[in-house]
Amino acid sequence: GAGVSQSPSNKVTEKGKDVELRCDPISGHTALYWYRQSLGQGLEFLIYFQGNSAPDKSGLPSDRFSAERTGGSVSTLTIQRTQQEDSAVYLCASSLGLAGGRLTGELFFGEGSRLTVL
Amino acid sequence: AQSVTQPDIHITVSEGASLELRCNYSYGATPYLFWYVQSPGQGLQLLLKYFSGDTLVQGIKGFEAEFKRSQSSFNLRKPSVHWSDAAEYFCAVGAPPERAAGNKLTFGGGTRVLVKP
Repeated sequence: GAGVSQSPSNKVTEKGKDVELRCDPISGHTALYWYRQSLGQGLEFLIYFQGNSAPDKSGLPSDRFSAERTGGSVSTLTIQRTQQEDSAVYLCASSLGLAGGRLTGELFFGEGSRLTVL
Repeated sequence: AQSVTQPDIHITVSEGASLELRCNYSYGATPYLFWYVQSPGQGLQLLLKYFSGDTLVQGIKGFEAEFKRSQSSFNLRKPSVHWSDAAEYFCAVGAPPERAAGNKLTFGGGTRVLVKP
């Protein structure tokens, strides 16, 4: 597609439920990133994919958070047993990744999925 | 570890006045530096980036930024602000491609800009 697409744009859930957030990156972008933006906070890195593998999962806040990417394209971020502190906007970004043997630096962001845990 | 500090949480500026947003970074080598803007309810849009070369970088919407290695700064400027510039601005630092296993960006906390008529 023309840009990074995320769904749902808004999700309200009850504490303890599981949620899945989807990201469809720009076609041809091999690198994909998930960030979290809490109210009044900056962006917190969660996980990075190069292709289908995740070399850097260092930002996942707990084992309730997981992400996968299939076919080198769409990624799903799953939060199990949601807690109120999980309420945030979850942003996905993609970049060309490796191009000519070098990584490119620019990340393109989606509009985010706003998660509210009641 | 890399880090970014944006000392100003909020800035209010009159329309037509100049704007400067501060950004200080910590990184062990020459970093890649970015400024993104986030309008209400929108995703982040890249304003400009610095990889190497000329330390004064021009971006979209009339913005520019200057990389000062000696001060570890990458401040964003605009000579004359428009009401549509009201938004939140994020500075970010990343590793150069030749070093990074992944180009994870570290973001500052953001500066919210309010524009008075």
